[in-house]
Amino acid sequence: EAGVAQSPRYKIIEKRQSVAFWCNPISGHATLYWYQQILGQGPKLLIQFQNNGVVDDSQLPKDRFSAERLKGVDSTLKIQPAKLEDSAVYLCASTGASDEQFFGPGTRLTVL
Amino acid sequence: GENVEQHPSTLSVQEGDSAVIKCTYSDSASNYFPWYKQELGKRPQLIIDIRSNVGEKKDQRIAVTLNKTAKHFSLHITETQPEDSAVYFCAASKNNYQLIWGAGTKLIIKP
Repeated sequence: EAGVAQSPRYKIIEKRQSVAFWCNPISGHATLYWYQQILGQGPKLLIQFQNNGVVDDSQLPKDRFSAERLKGVDSTLKIQPAKLEDSAVYLCASTGASDEQFFGPGTRLTVL
Repeated sequence: GENVEQHPSTLSVQEGDSAVIKCTYSDSASNYFPWYKQELGKRPQLIIDIRSNVGEKKDQRIAVTLNKTAKHFSLHITETQPEDSAVYFCAASKNNYQLIWGAGTKLIIKP
């Protein structure tokens, strides 16, 4: 089966600019996660979707980050405006019937 | 909320020796404990997981043990090989809700 797809793979922007990331989960996976992984740290959950509904967004900085999964399939994560501390790898993951989370390749964001 | 602590942050072992990584969790209701391996520049991948109704699980050279009373679980890798070099993350969740991750252990296999 095809894995989790993410784009772009790399993005460089200046602070205060906007950026959007896209994720397409494994077909049939109802649960989708967005994580932020800062270099040298473990992944930090930003938001969890179950189909098109939000299950948990308690760690999402809502003043600048937003995410949607309108049709319960693919999802976008947006940052507006970006700050230097947003430099990280943004990982998307999905789960199906089992608890295993399958990760995409990630988007490496550099904010200058 | 749940908190997961992982030790050590770096572990260096001789090729062929065993490696043990330990994690503790705070929420006694947590019932799912996966371990992920992340090679440099790559995505995390599940290597083994355990549920709270099981005390130990093995898969070839990898094993995980769970002590619910003490609220800690450990990853054991035997006969380590160069390809085992990576960062290993433990995590904990209850009912597949909000997986909480440890800070990671960088495992170095010395030739």
